[in-house]
Amino acid sequence: GAVVSQHPSRVICKSGTSVKIECRSLDFQATTMFWYRQFPKQSLMLMATSNEGSKATYEQGVEKDKFLINHASLTLSTLTVTSAHPEDSSFYICSATDWIQSGNEQFFGPGTRLTVL
Amino acid sequence: AQKITQTQPGMFVQEKEAVTLDCTYDTSDQSYGLFWYKQPSSGEMIFLIYQGSYDEQNATEGRYSLNFQKARKSANLVISASQLGDSAMYFCAPLCYGQNFVFGPGTRLSVLP
Repeated sequence: GAVVSQHPSRVICKSGTSVKIECRSLDFQATTMFWYRQFPKQSLMLMATSNEGSKATYEQGVEKDKFLINHASLTLSTLTVTSAHPEDSSFYICSATDWIQSGNEQFFGPGTRLTVL
Repeated sequence: AQKITQTQPGMFVQEKEAVTLDCTYDTSDQSYGLFWYKQPSSGEMIFLIYQGSYDEQNATEGRYSLNFQKARKSANLVISASQLGDSAMYFCAPLCYGQNFVFGPGTRLSVLP
């Protein structure tokens, strides 16, 4: 159990376009979802935390108008990178947790590799 | 938990030998959890092992075990009988109550045949 999927797994786009990444919890209801960004040879950096039906909480230095997060249901959160530029190229990973059932454990998606040309 | 240190950016180990990956952290909390994740080249984050700060015994999970020293604020991961498939990045992540995960900088482990 506790499977999290991400779509797409890989995306290449032109500079200036917007890209939407979906994160789904497949077999549980996620009370909270997290979005991370990972640059090559670096660690995961938390971008934002989202709870279903409420606005996401962004980490310091993350532009909320640039990275739009929508947590429309208990099984789906989306991250939209608006007007993407080459410096946004990165590996984006989501995770989900169900505080009631699983406590602190986070279940990670497989990640989405974004390349902006 | 704030600053997390993994002092070994890269490590090599011979297949079938044991290896210890270091992790120290800075927290004033008494109650927290410690997670270790493995990230192979495919990018997925694979949960390995968890230790609660009040657990009296070191956690073990198959070939993985934690050398947890609360007073020193360290939680080193021990991998016994290394396998080629263990080659990956390894991240330590303390989780304090009411806070989010903060991942350490990681250690790249390479298992040599």
